[in-house]
Amino acid sequence: EPEVTQTPSHQVTQMGQEVILRCVPISNHLYFYWYRQILGQKVEFLVSFYNNEISEKSEIFDDQFSVERPDGSNFTLKIRSTKLEDSAMYFCASSAPELAGYNEQFFGPGTRLTVL
Amino acid sequence: GENVEQHPSTLSVQEGDSAVIKCTYSDSASNYFPWYKQELGKRPQLIIDIRSNVGEKKDQRIAVTLNKTAKHFSLHITETQPEDSAVYFCAASIGGKLIFGQGTELSVKP
Repeated sequence: EPEVTQTPSHQVTQMGQEVILRCVPISNHLYFYWYRQILGQKVEFLVSFYNNEISEKSEIFDDQFSVERPDGSNFTLKIRSTKLEDSAMYFCASSAPELAGYNEQFFGPGTRLTVL
Repeated sequence: GENVEQHPSTLSVQEGDSAVIKCTYSDSASNYFPWYKQELGKRPQLIIDIRSNVGEKKDQRIAVTLNKTAKHFSLHITETQPEDSAVYFCAASIGGKLIFGQGTELSVKP
């Protein structure tokens, strides 16, 4: 069964550094998402992406964040200048096109980002 | 704003008992309601979902009900087993994005 994959599984960085989190969505999916989960808290929506542009973003997704689909398979989340409060598990998700709005989203295993 | 409230935050049951988790949502435009199970350190896994044109759905020991008028939806797990122990999240989909509840930590004691 196809799965969403993410790399790295754990990223440790210094405050102020840039990080890029990588995701490979399921191959025939066209809707892509990033969520984050601070330890012990709920999953929070960051951004949705379709047709090479952002569909929607949350208040969390400020100018320090950006997303990109640099080729036909990868979907990346970049944090330009990390803060301590960016420490969290970041999940990528994707969904199939034919059920837009009724979208079963498939989650990747997550990248644990630790900002020191 | 968009919000999903989930209760209880923790739930402890004896093996074989039923467990019920309840959620309410604020945006009446929500049209899809998935439930995810998350084990420690793992990704959320979809266990059941319901669309806004359906009132109830069942899959073996798991059922979900939706009351659109009251903006409530609930997860019911019957004949609980120790392997059901995990954190369960409800969510409401608004235009594709998922708004999650705060999670319920379910503990099934053998």
